[in-house]
Amino acid sequence: QKEVEQDPGPLSVPEGAIVSLNCTYSNSAFQYFMWYRQYSRKGPELLMYTYSSGNKEDGRFTAQVDKSSKYISLFIRDSQPSDSATYLCASEKEGGNKLTFGTGTQLKVEL
Amino acid sequence: GAGVSQSPSNKVTEKGKDVELRCDPISGHTALYWYRQSLGQGLEFLIYFQGNSAPDKSGLPSDRFSAERTGGSVSTLTIQRTQQEDSAVYLCASSLAGLGQFFGPGTRLTVL
Repeated sequence: QKEVEQDPGPLSVPEGAIVSLNCTYSNSAFQYFMWYRQYSRKGPELLMYTYSSGNKEDGRFTAQVDKSSKYISLFIRDSQPSDSATYLCASEKEGGNKLTFGTGTQLKVEL
Repeated sequence: GAGVSQSPSNKVTEKGKDVELRCDPISGHTALYWYRQSLGQGLEFLIYFQGNSAPDKSGLPSDRFSAERTGGSVSTLTIQRTQQEDSAVYLCASSLAGLGQFFGPGTRLTVL
């Protein structure tokens, strides 16, 4: 079993929809949680970075972490075709030195 | 530019040859990481450098893989005697403590 699990999709939504992307993790030592966006043939781009449980909002993006259920979510409001990409969740231990990634969810926002 | 840069962007090599991949981190970032991204495998950690400390090499898949970081800045990942299973995108990231890892565009390695 992978330490971070993520549904690979693909997920297809109409423009303007609210998108919910989710991951689960198994390692209780994970304290930092990240979401990356990766366009085809590009490197991952850091979208959200959170510590422990709670919500964090940045523009149209909201990251949510529930450590009690080991559940990580990313919500995208008013989705745009430019949001079409692969979204990767990642986790890190306190004092850790590497990220453990999910396999990524492919999102397509259609006109 | 202010981001992480990597070279070459693409590398095609023959099985058995050695390759060197280069990473130039964001200026001032003390930590540097190498990851590998393969189809269906996601991103796998390879190695981590932090300042002058000994690197964490726990993710290197075999002794054919090595990396160094000179002067606390540029890093080179070397793969000796390449095999077809080494074909992947090799990604470098850098960070300043507590602020997340920032990735470069990657080097796409194809071993024929």
